[in-house]
Amino acid sequence: AQKITQTQPGMFVQEKEAVTLDCTYDTSDQSYGLFWYKQPSSGEMIFLIYQGSYDEQNATEGRYSLNFQKARKSANLVISASQLGDSAMYFCAMRVYNTNAGKSTFGDGTTLTVKP
Amino acid sequence: DTEVTQTPKHLVMGMTNKKSLKCEQHMGHRAMYWYKQKAKKPPELMFVYSYEKLSINESVPSRFSPECPNSSLLNLHLHALQPEDSALYLCASSQEPDRTYEQYFGPGTRLTVT
Repeated sequence: AQKITQTQPGMFVQEKEAVTLDCTYDTSDQSYGLFWYKQPSSGEMIFLIYQGSYDEQNATEGRYSLNFQKARKSANLVISASQLGDSAMYFCAMRVYNTNAGKSTFGDGTTLTVKP
Repeated sequence: DTEVTQTPKHLVMGMTNKKSLKCEQHMGHRAMYWYKQKAKKPPELMFVYSYEKLSINESVPSRFSPECPNSSLLNLHLHALQPEDSALYLCASSQEPDRTYEQYFGPGTRLTVT
């Protein structure tokens, strides 16, 4: 079974500063993907970034980067130059290759508030 | 285009009503999903359709009935719901069901059962 742990229920960051949202995972499978999703108060889950278990480079997408430390089983999301529009709930998720039609396991989420 | 659409955006229904939620994607994705999400909680998987066939039913009560008429459409038929079924219902799709592809979510339907 897979497990995702997000230990920060809420985080605050000043506008234009960087922030790191923590995510640790547990799985015995070797082939998996790690994802971060953003959910504003409007409700839509927005895919942000993906990291494959065999990827040697950390994933980056614009202001988002994923700090992947495989030995520590962590996949932290780094948001650089925070903007007010970044205020939202952020979910870390995992999918394991070739099992159960690709079911996703989600963490409990972190609510990020960006202060002006 | 990575858009998943859902209708309606909001739905209020009585416990004796029958209604349907609709979801559509035109990305050629072969896996489609229904999730239920309560406030401040992660989404909970309800159903997975893989190549238009139901592959996972997470022990969802029979008052929820999914349907996949074709590869682009996914419906969720609702009947005799309970107040505790009030939630945000999210539809998602992904390229392949058994690979580690990301999921793309629709905007959701906020359901209130009175």
